[in-house]
Amino acid sequence: DARVTQTPRHKVTEMGQEVTMRCQPILGHNTVFWYRQTMMQGLELLAYFRNRAPLDDSGMPKDRFSAEMPDATLATLKIQPSEPRDSAVYFCASGLVSTGGEQFFGPGTRLTVL
Amino acid sequence: AQSVTQPDIHITVSEGASLELRCNYSYGATPYLFWYVQSPGQGLQLLLKYFSGDTLVQGIKGFEAEFKRSQSSFNLRKPSVHWSDAAEYFCAVGAPSGGGADGLTFGKGTHLIIQP
Repeated sequence: DARVTQTPRHKVTEMGQEVTMRCQPILGHNTVFWYRQTMMQGLELLAYFRNRAPLDDSGMPKDRFSAEMPDATLATLKIQPSEPRDSAVYFCASGLVSTGGEQFFGPGTRLTVL
Repeated sequence: AQSVTQPDIHITVSEGASLELRCNYSYGATPYLFWYVQSPGQGLQLLLKYFSGDTLVQGIKGFEAEFKRSQSSFNLRKPSVHWSDAAEYFCAVGAPSGGGADGLTFGKGTHLIIQP
């Protein structure tokens, strides 16, 4: 049963620390998305990649967030330095252009910045 | 800019009763439309999607949705709900230029509560 995996599932850190979240997309999927979910803002698109190239990162605070795909099996989202307002659940999703739109979501990383 | 409105934050339905969750969108052209469901502590799962053609689309778990262009709506329905349907439901839109495969804009969600 193919699924998107995310690590860690939970992360508690102190303000100012670096946070790295990892995502393994479903094998063969060529598009990877990062979303953030908060009570106030709901689900927001942060960035996404197609064939490992960044297509859109306009939803991401550029000064502290960075997203990369070192290879087709790994996507990373880094926050440096972290701030309390970054506390949220971060979801990774993957999809295939040829199937037009269905995104498969991982279980999320719940981040708490103290 | 595109937006999605789900006017009902919470809905309570008795088990076995019918359900309709509302979704309205604002977009320059007809977007790709999706409904996702999120169970507590889980990621989102696609229920159904609309790209073109028949305006009534069938999804998984007995759900269906109807696209109404004149009302910019894409409401989700189920004839008879089960206790396991209790979850958060999200409507989302995707840009037609992206073939539905680009990043989505989500509504704020509707929390569905099922009464025994």
